[in-house]
Amino acid sequence: SAVISQKPSRDICQRGTSLTIQCQVDSQVTMMFWYRQQPGQSLTLIATANQGSEATYESGFVIDKFPISRPNLTFSTLTVSNMSPEDSSIYLCSVERRGSYNEQFFGPGTRLTVL
Amino acid sequence: AQSVTQPDIHITVSEGASLELRCNYSYGATPYLFWYVQSPGQGLQLLLKYFSGDTLVQGIKGFEAEFKRSQSSFNLRKPSVHWSDAAEYFCAVGAHNDYKLSFGAGTTVTVRA
Repeated sequence: SAVISQKPSRDICQRGTSLTIQCQVDSQVTMMFWYRQQPGQSLTLIATANQGSEATYESGFVIDKFPISRPNLTFSTLTVSNMSPEDSSIYLCSVERRGSYNEQFFGPGTRLTVL
Repeated sequence: AQSVTQPDIHITVSEGASLELRCNYSYGATPYLFWYVQSPGQGLQLLLKYFSGDTLVQGIKGFEAEFKRSQSSFNLRKPSVHWSDAAEYFCAVGAHNDYKLSFGAGTTVTVRA
């Protein structure tokens, strides 16, 4: 299994500011995913990040609001831009286990509160 | 595209009692099925998975799940719950031609003493 860390674990931010969340994996992985989990809700996929290519965003999510970087095979960042209280959520990164039929390992999440 | 339904939003069970969480999926072929658990303030941990073969799969923490193609279900069971099993449980489905996972809405399990 992969060990995934995220920074920060939680943050409280002001409206209109931006926050960058980091995701670090202890092994090289091809695909990394970013999810949003709004309070009391399930997980919604924001985008898929492959190293060396642009991230692929899901319907309802745009690059200007959630820019993603994937500089190498063990690291990715998600930025939540121009935040509003509606962005208050847990943001999770995950990686796909190679050859494992879609099995994903998840990081501990970043709990974001926007005031 | 595949989808998942978890009919039970919240289940309360007594410690030591059995637990069953329901999961129904929609997909035209054999799906890849997963159960994840999320404890308060934590990320998701994989409990068990089904890809093919034996339809009864064993997982961690004493959990098991049974794939029933005729019912499009993948229900999670535990014979005797512990207070530490109080958490949110998510069923997820994947497909062989799509790297994404679709998650159900989740079931919150409360364990009473």
